[in-house]
Amino acid sequence: GENVEQHPSTLSVQEGDSAVIKCTYSDSASNYFPWYKQELGKRPQLIIDIRSNVGEKKDQRIAVTLNKTAKHFSLHITETQPEDSAVYFCAASWIGGYQKVTFGIGTKLQVIP
Amino acid sequence: DTAVSQTPKYLVTQMGNDKSIKCEQNLGHDTMYWYKQDSKKFLKIMFSYNNKELIINETVPNRFSPKSPDKAHLNLHINSLELGDSAVYFCASSQLWTGGTGELFFGEGSRLTVL
Repeated sequence: GENVEQHPSTLSVQEGDSAVIKCTYSDSASNYFPWYKQELGKRPQLIIDIRSNVGEKKDQRIAVTLNKTAKHFSLHITETQPEDSAVYFCAASWIGGYQKVTFGIGTKLQVIP
Repeated sequence: DTAVSQTPKYLVTQMGNDKSIKCEQNLGHDTMYWYKQDSKKFLKIMFSYNNKELIINETVPNRFSPKSPDKAHLNLHINSLELGDSAVYFCASSQLWTGGTGELFFGEGSRLTVL
C-alpha cells in the first residue's frame, strides 16, 4: 500500500518568511497529490492539489511542486501570515475506479508575528 | 446548508458501551469515508463506500461496523468501546466521476472520549 512521509513535523517561521513542507510517497501508481490545512479544532480543508501530469501549480501565496521520478512533492508558502498557522497534511492518492487517500503525519506550522 | 454533517459532535462514554455516529452529505457525491484522527493528529482511513458499496476496509477491529443506507448517508457503529478508541472521527465525501475532482469534503468531526 501507499506510504507517505512528511517533514518537518513542526515548523516555526517569522511572519513574512517562507515555509516549505516536503513529502515523499512510495506507490508510483499515485496520481493525485492534495494538501489539506487543518486549523485548531476545525476540519481539514483542501488548499491546493496537483495531478501527476503537472510539475508545478501556484495559487497566490501557495505553490506545490511534484517530482514524479523521485516521488517527492512539496508545499511552499510565501509571505507567511499569522492566519497561516495550522497543521498541514500532504496526501497521495490513486484516482481510478475508486480513491484511497493516504495522509502524511502532518506539519504544525507556527507563524510568529 | 452544511455540505457534510455528522452527529454527535461530542460523545463521552464508558468502556464497554456501544455508540453510533451518523453522517450525511448533501453534495450528491458518490463516495463517503470514515477517518480517525488520533491525539497526534494522524489522519487514518477506516472505511470507504461508493454508492452504498464497501470498497475500502482498512485494518480496523470488527467492533467497528459502518453502514450506508443510501449514498448520502454513512454511519459508524462501535461496539464494546475501549480506551484506545478515543479520537476524533471525521466523515468525508468526494466525487470521482462526472466532473468530480477527488477533493475530500470533511464533516466537523465527532470527538469520542472513552472513560
